[in-house]
Amino acid sequence: AQRVTQPEKLLSVFKGAPVELKCNYSYSGSPELFWYVQYSRQRLQLLLRHISRESIKGFTADLNKGETSFHLKKPFAQEEDSAMYYCALQYNTDKLIFGTGTRLQVFP
Amino acid sequence: DAEITQSPRHKITETGRQVTLACHQTWNHNNMFWYRQDLGHGLRLIHYSYGVQDTNKGEVSDGYSVSRSNTEDLPLTLESAASSQTSVYFCASSFQTSGSGELFFGEGSRLTVL
Repeated sequence: AQRVTQPEKLLSVFKGAPVELKCNYSYSGSPELFWYVQYSRQRLQLLLRHISRESIKGFTADLNKGETSFHLKKPFAQEEDSAMYYCALQYNTDKLIFGTGTRLQVFP
Repeated sequence: DAEITQSPRHKITETGRQVTLACHQTWNHNNMFWYRQDLGHGLRLIHYSYGVQDTNKGEVSDGYSVSRSNTEDLPLTLESAASSQTSVYFCASSFQTSGSGELFFGEGSRLTVL
């Protein structure tokens, strides 16, 4: 069965430090993976998708099929990056399974 | 502007009562979803619909039902509320057959069952 694992519930860093939010998945098919973000008092929204290979707000994520991982990275964290981050796997038309989420706290 | 709205935003009810959470979107999206968000579990899919008169069970559908009589609305009903259903509920929608994985979420409905 498909599964998404985010091992860290909370990640705390200081402004300017590098950030890596871990995501591992289990899926027998060809994975399509996403990162969603929920800022305080805002709606959950798509941050980026692996197929686009894009950088959004300085964040990137590379799909590593060998390690079944899709870690989210940013070289220099900003205070406004503080939010809840969810990794998600698409296993049917727009059906997503989400990880348990990682709360990122960026201290000044 | 087109959007997706949920109501009520906050609801307190008692065990055994029937509760309906409304979800309305004005994007003309065919796909609509209900998730619940709980600490330690993330978001879990309750029910989803790919179009009018289409409804499907998600991974945590027991005790919940949905109906899709038009494109815009997917109300979620708790037939007999239980304390285990205390949660934050999110409705989401997406373009028909997009496969893009981009869901548009509502602001959430916080339900407390006493």
